[in-house]
Amino acid sequence: SQKIEQNSEALNIQEGKTATLTCNYTNYSPAYLQWYRQDPGRGPVFLLLIRENEKEKRKERLKVTFDTTLKQSLFHITASQPADSATYLCALGDGGGATNKLIFGTGTLLAVQP
Amino acid sequence: GAVVSQHPSWVICKSGTSVKIECRSLDFQATTMFWYRQFPKQSLMLMATSNEGSKATYEQGVEKDKFLINHASLTLSTLTVTSAHPEDSSFYICSAIAGHTDTQYFGPGTRLTVL
Repeated sequence: SQKIEQNSEALNIQEGKTATLTCNYTNYSPAYLQWYRQDPGRGPVFLLLIRENEKEKRKERLKVTFDTTLKQSLFHITASQPADSATYLCALGDGGGATNKLIFGTGTLLAVQP
Repeated sequence: GAVVSQHPSWVICKSGTSVKIECRSLDFQATTMFWYRQFPKQSLMLMATSNEGSKATYEQGVEKDKFLINHASLTLSTLTVTSAHPEDSSFYICSAIAGHTDTQYFGPGTRLTVL
């Protein structure tokens, strides 16, 4: 069955450092992968989308890589700030067809210490 | 742009009653809307996919007669939890897609508590 795994433990880093979050998947060939941020009691907020034919995508302090051979995506936040503390979710998409459905990972809780 | 709202943000109801949750795309027309459920410390689980003017497609294990979805316009979808029970208590979140894009924009969620 399809499985998506993210860092199961919370990630604690010091302010100013680079946070790296991992998303691994099995039994799936997504057309694209998305990263979302979720704060407690709130809906997810879209951050970045990367397609299967793209290796890397950047947006301000964020960088996402996508390795379809390793079946892995890495999400980097450079110069991290306490305000970056949240749960980060990766989600895999099938590229539309009739549904554009997403399958979500369990999320990684990031805590940036001042 | 791409703002999605939900109403109410939280609701408490008695067991056996029905609750309606609204999901609106405020600044775009949503060809497709999705409904998710999230239990504490778990990820989002897709319940159903809703396309304007057609019947919703439910995920395996989701009772379509219990979770009624109506997508009457390109900016509004509703989820009605019928005969709610305490085990239906959860965080319900909707999302919407604009046109032929792949990005889902999420609402702020509705916390349902069934007593």
